[in-house]
Amino acid sequence: QSALTQPASVSGSPGQSITISCTGSSSDVGGYDFVSWYQQHPGKAPKLMIYEVSNRPSGVSNRFSGSKSGNTASLTISGLQAEDEADYYCCSYTSSGPLVFGGGTKLTAL
Amino acid sequence: EVQLVESGGGLVQPGESLRLSCAASGFTFSRYWMTWVRQAPGKGLEWVANINPEGSGKYYADSVKGRFTISRDNAKNSLYLQINSLRVEDTAVYYCARGLTGNVHFYYWGQGTLVTVSS
Repeated sequence: QSALTQPASVSGSPGQSITISCTGSSSDVGGYDFVSWYQQHPGKAPKLMIYEVSNRPSGVSNRFSGSKSGNTASLTISGLQAEDEADYYCCSYTSSGPLVFGGGTKLTAL
Repeated sequence: EVQLVESGGGLVQPGESLRLSCAASGFTFSRYWMTWVRQAPGKGLEWVANINPEGSGKYYADSVKGRFTISRDNAKNSLYLQINSLRVEDTAVYYCARGLTGNVHFYYWGQGTLVTVSS
């Protein structure tokens, strides 16, 4: 159950778009459309932003979108805002055990 | 309103045991998969274990298999995590979580309970 691979950090200026990648294998990201993304602010519980690759829960801004190509999933945030600064985690169902998270990406809004 | 409230964390010595609880309210507990996720200080999220609505199906991360036991009491709307032979590396905030449906994402989270393993 190896963690999915995410960049340690990404940054962008307010108003810009940024993309966070999440790379796995055919046994997890590439094999199932069960990729989810979480936002976590310091000291807070994670918040679900995207589920099943590209679905947004009610109440999540449409500035957040998800996609997948092969073994890599991506989270895109458009019109970056200061409040988007947080840690982001991807998560995928796996063939070997139910779920695995990515290592996390720290998003900095410059 | 869905609420998940964890309890049972604390400071323990290596080798000791601990039982974490998660009290659920605001939904029909017996209809949902439930999951434990942990986060070591300054580290990322780690999926730990989950259990099906009936309590008959239980799955564990390799890192905890054989030491952790997940269980539930649907009559008490409660989820549990029995942790035996605690190790320093088990130090983490432990969250219970539930999806909108199924067991492949987590929409509802508790506030977490901190387990610190230290001599």
